[in-house]
Amino acid sequence: KNQVEQSPQSLIILEGKNCTLQCNYTVSPFSNLRWYKQDTGRGPVSLTIMTFSENTKSNGRYTATLDADTKQSSLHITASQLSDSASYICVVRTIYSNYQLIWGAGTKLIIKP
Amino acid sequence: DTGVSQNPRHKITKRGQNVTFRCDPISEHNRLYWYRQTLGQGPEFLTYFQNEAQLEKSRLLSDRFSAERPKGSFSTLEIQRTEQGDSAMYLCASSLEAGVGADTQYFGPGTRLTVL
Repeated sequence: KNQVEQSPQSLIILEGKNCTLQCNYTVSPFSNLRWYKQDTGRGPVSLTIMTFSENTKSNGRYTATLDADTKQSSLHITASQLSDSASYICVVRTIYSNYQLIWGAGTKLIIKP
Repeated sequence: DTGVSQNPRHKITKRGQNVTFRCDPISEHNRLYWYRQTLGQGPEFLTYFQNEAQLEKSRLLSDRFSAERPKGSFSTLEIQRTEQGDSAMYLCASSLEAGVGADTQYFGPGTRLTVL
């Protein structure tokens, strides 16, 4: 069964600290993997996209990694800011169906001053 | 272009009533998606359109739910005989058709439905 699992479910860190969010997937065949950021009460916004051949992709203070062999991805946030408080959702695309996207449940990140 | 817009932003209704939501996608995007999201969960796919054609529907989309995109531009999602379990955020997204980066979905702000 195609699944995307994220950990931790929630995380609280102090402003300025770094953190890493995890995404494990069992989606096959794999096409690409995205990380979205979703502020409370808003729609998700795409942060990064990685294909099979890409190991790392950065977007400012956000760095995503992908290990297609172990089917794991991580999102590292450097020097966290209060505005980073949001849910971070991992989404994997398969080429297996018309719709193709498998969504994780997200990690809720809270940055405290 | 101001992005994907959804109306209304909030809707409170009584159980058994019908509701209709509207989504206006980014103008050059030919794909449009509807999702439902409950607290603490990722978006659940409901259905998507390519132009005016509805190409896939989730099993979550019971016969009380219907979506249309009559002219390949805006879309409506109607829920008939609402139930309390329908309370959720309904998200709309749009994307271009082809290519790895082209199918990045751009989301609207959502419509929050509360069924009393």
